[in-house]
Amino acid sequence: DQQVKQNSPSLSVQEGRISILNCDYTNSMFDYFLWYKKYPAEGPTFLISISSIKDKNEDGRFTVFLNKSAKHLSLHIVPSQPGDSTVYFCAATYNQGGKLIFGQGTELSVKP
Amino acid sequence: GAVVSQHPSRVICKSGTSVKIECRSLDFQATTMFWYRQFPKQSLMLMATSNEGSKATYEQGVEKDKFLINHASLTLSTLTVTSAHPEDSSFYICSARTTTSPGTDTQYFGPGTRLTVL
Repeated sequence: DQQVKQNSPSLSVQEGRISILNCDYTNSMFDYFLWYKKYPAEGPTFLISISSIKDKNEDGRFTVFLNKSAKHLSLHIVPSQPGDSTVYFCAATYNQGGKLIFGQGTELSVKP
Repeated sequence: GAVVSQHPSRVICKSGTSVKIECRSLDFQATTMFWYRQFPKQSLMLMATSNEGSKATYEQGVEKDKFLINHASLTLSTLTVTSAHPEDSSFYICSARTTTSPGTDTQYFGPGTRLTVL
């Protein structure tokens, strides 16, 4: 039972344009969502998070949007840079700090 | 801040031996640490939750006698893979939980340990 899904295994965008990574979830109990990026043979690096009481959180080039009614969140990266090329994971948790449930990941490629 | 280290980064061992992996939170105290494993091209799967001073909570399907977890202090958790077999070869990653301010709750991950069992 995949509670957190990233349906796009890969995404390719041009440098300077917007990257939009999507994530869907099924468990309505989730109340906190996080995005991580991960390079091969390394641990995930935290990017940005959002609580279920919000619908948007912004940090520099990264913005996360949450649509609770649709059980959908997205990560916007603008402008995209070649150094952003790697795998991005969304994750969800509930009860503030329970275990993280990860999506399958989306590999972003930003072309110069 | 929020740096988590893991040691070793890579280990190769013979089948039947035990391997210990350390996870340390370097600049914060973590009452809770988590252990994940990741197979190639797959997502991170939680193995167990490690609470300082108490027994770990294992996810369904994870053998607690095979994957021994000890969380002896607020900055150190260890995972011991006992009697390792080739199917245990994987990328093991730990994380440490911190709450920097009310309403936030973030896990910071270590760099991972690549275990190869021959």
